[in-house]
Amino acid sequence: QQQVKQSPQSLIVQKGGISIINCAYENTAFDYFPWYQQFPGKGPALLIAIRPDVSEKKEGRFTISFNKSAKQFSLHIMDSQPGDSATYFCAASNEGAQKLVFGQGTRLTINP
Amino acid sequence: GAGVSQSPSNKVTEKGKDVELRCDPISGHTALYWYRQSLGQGLEFLIYFQGNSAPDKSGLPSDRFSAERTGGSVSTLTIQRTQQEDSAVYLCASSFRRGYNEQFFGPGTRLTVL
Repeated sequence: QQQVKQSPQSLIVQKGGISIINCAYENTAFDYFPWYQQFPGKGPALLIAIRPDVSEKKEGRFTISFNKSAKQFSLHIMDSQPGDSATYFCAASNEGAQKLVFGQGTRLTINP
Repeated sequence: GAGVSQSPSNKVTEKGKDVELRCDPISGHTALYWYRQSLGQGLEFLIYFQGNSAPDKSGLPSDRFSAERTGGSVSTLTIQRTQQEDSAVYLCASSFRRGYNEQFFGPGTRLTVL
């Protein structure tokens, strides 16, 4: 019940296209859903996060869509750029637990 | 300001040896976390410190793993009698306080057990 399932494992998108990564969770106590971006040799860095009181959050080219009834959330990267090539992790937690439960990661490659 | 720092960046050890990994959190951050990232896998929670509260050790995989945080700042993760399956990148993160606060990650320590 603590798992967060992420798909796809890898994704190749052409420059200017839309990258979509999906996550699903089981624990209904989760109430914080961040996405982290990780470049090789670096630690993950927070990209964007959402609470379940909203269905969508947008920051620049990055949008989180959240479906509470389906227990799913997704990351959309609009106008994908080669510099977006990285590994993306979804995660979930609740304030009481603090620890983040991470998905398995998606290796995104943007072809120029 | 400086981010989360970890040392060493790489550690190669022989099976059965003990290792210590160090984390220096961002100044003023009261929460500190350790995660493990195995090759091609997601991040696995190990342990969480918050201020002077008892740490959440629920993610430690065995009693060979332990961690301490001295003076509410620097933390050391110790792995005793290392095994090959302990090979991974060990990541430390810190955050300002409880609640929905961003966790800032260090660059990690890559541990290789031969």
